[in-house]
Amino acid sequence: AQKVTQAQTEISVVEKEDVTLDCVYETRDTTYYLFWYKQPPSGELVFLIRRNSFDEQNEISGRYSWNFQKSTSSFNFTITASQVVDSAVYFCALSEANTGRRALTFGSGTRLQVQP
Amino acid sequence: GAGVSQSPSNKVTEKGKDVELRCDPISGHTALYWYRQSLGQGLEFLIYFQGNSAPDKSGLPSDRFSAERTGGSVSTLTIQRTQQEDSAVYLCASSREILGNEQFFGPGTRLTVL
Repeated sequence: AQKVTQAQTEISVVEKEDVTLDCVYETRDTTYYLFWYKQPPSGELVFLIRRNSFDEQNEISGRYSWNFQKSTSSFNFTITASQVVDSAVYFCALSEANTGRRALTFGSGTRLQVQP
Repeated sequence: GAGVSQSPSNKVTEKGKDVELRCDPISGHTALYWYRQSLGQGLEFLIYFQGNSAPDKSGLPSDRFSAERTGGSVSTLTIQRTQQEDSAVYLCASSREILGNEQFFGPGTRLTVL
């Protein structure tokens, strides 16, 4: 069965610090998809990124970057020069291609607090 | 274009009553999902609809929970004989049915069972 682990329950940083959110996943499928979502205090889940299992290329989008490593089953998320607006709960999620289930399996989330 | 909408935004009910939660997906999205988010259980999958295929109900926690999707668009999640442990935020998401496509979430319905 699939599983996503976000070991960091809560992280607190000061503005402008870099921060990395860890995500480790388990799956028996050979084709799968990984996601990061942001849930700000308003509550609505916001899609950030999707990677498929065949594409290990790291991605950068502004201050955000993602490091996908199949060898360690990890898909970590780094925020560079954090800002107060980055304060939110961040969820890593997984879906599988060959199990028939298209739904997302979420990690338990990491609450990031960025202090001014 | 509008995002996923859900109604009501908040629902308070008494234990034992039935409730209906509504979801309007993004236009053109053929896949629709229900999840719930609670303090103890995190984000859990409930049910998934895709076109005219039989829904994937594998996440429904009990037979008190059911959902339907009419005309391939709007969906209603029904909880019968609500219990206090049903209190949670119920989230709806939709996506284009391309394998592994991102899901877009609605604002949720916060259900409180007294």
